[in-house]
Amino acid sequence: EVQLVESGGGLIQPGGSLRLSCAASGFTVSSNYMSWVRQAPGKGLEWVSVIYSGGSTYYADSVKGRFTITRDNSKNTLYIQMNSLRAEDTAVYYCASVIGSNWFDPWGQGTLVTVSS
Amino acid sequence: EIVLTQSPATLSLSPGERATLSCRASQSVSSYLAWYQQRPGQAPRLLIYDASNRATGIPARFSGSGSGTDFTLTISSLEPEDFAVYYCQQRSNWPPVFTFGGGTKVEIK
Repeated sequence: EVQLVESGGGLIQPGGSLRLSCAASGFTVSSNYMSWVRQAPGKGLEWVSVIYSGGSTYYADSVKGRFTITRDNSKNTLYIQMNSLRAEDTAVYYCASVIGSNWFDPWGQGTLVTVSS
Repeated sequence: EIVLTQSPATLSLSPGERATLSCRASQSVSSYLAWYQQRPGQAPRLLIYDASNRATGIPARFSGSGSGTDFTLTISSLEPEDFAVYYCQQRSNWPPVFTFGGGTKVEIK
């Protein structure tokens, strides 16, 4: 069974840094496109970043220059390093596999990041 | 950047009724559109991809149609577990940017 499990969320002060992890089982992270999607409290879904199997990375304008997506093939784990965090980065962060180059499936259960002083 | 507009924002229906949800793109996305369901407190799940293909394990009461700029998700007969928020999504060609619509909440009338 394919499963994604996020971790690393928590309360962080504005300007701080946090790294989220997404451990995968049942498939190989490095062979798939992988992405992060976030959801602010009570709001809709917002795509954050994607990493292609070849290693290319892309970001939403809202996080470009502050967030970095990476993966550890030996641990079969996806990461996102979040720097210079702002209140508007407060959200549940989901990792997801990207199928057919376009669609998110499956999704992890999400991890909550709260940016507040 | 392609904008996806979903309507209505909220749909109030009774179990057993038919639900029709709309997603309109600001420019043509051909058939490259997906639908997701998000129940309260849960992660989204893929329902429909490529506008009309049901994802694995999705019941036949869910169907998608449309191409170009106008798309529809239809739930033929609402089950209690179908009351949720539904999002459409597309990916632009280059650079790859993934966009979601604002969502439609299907609530019990």
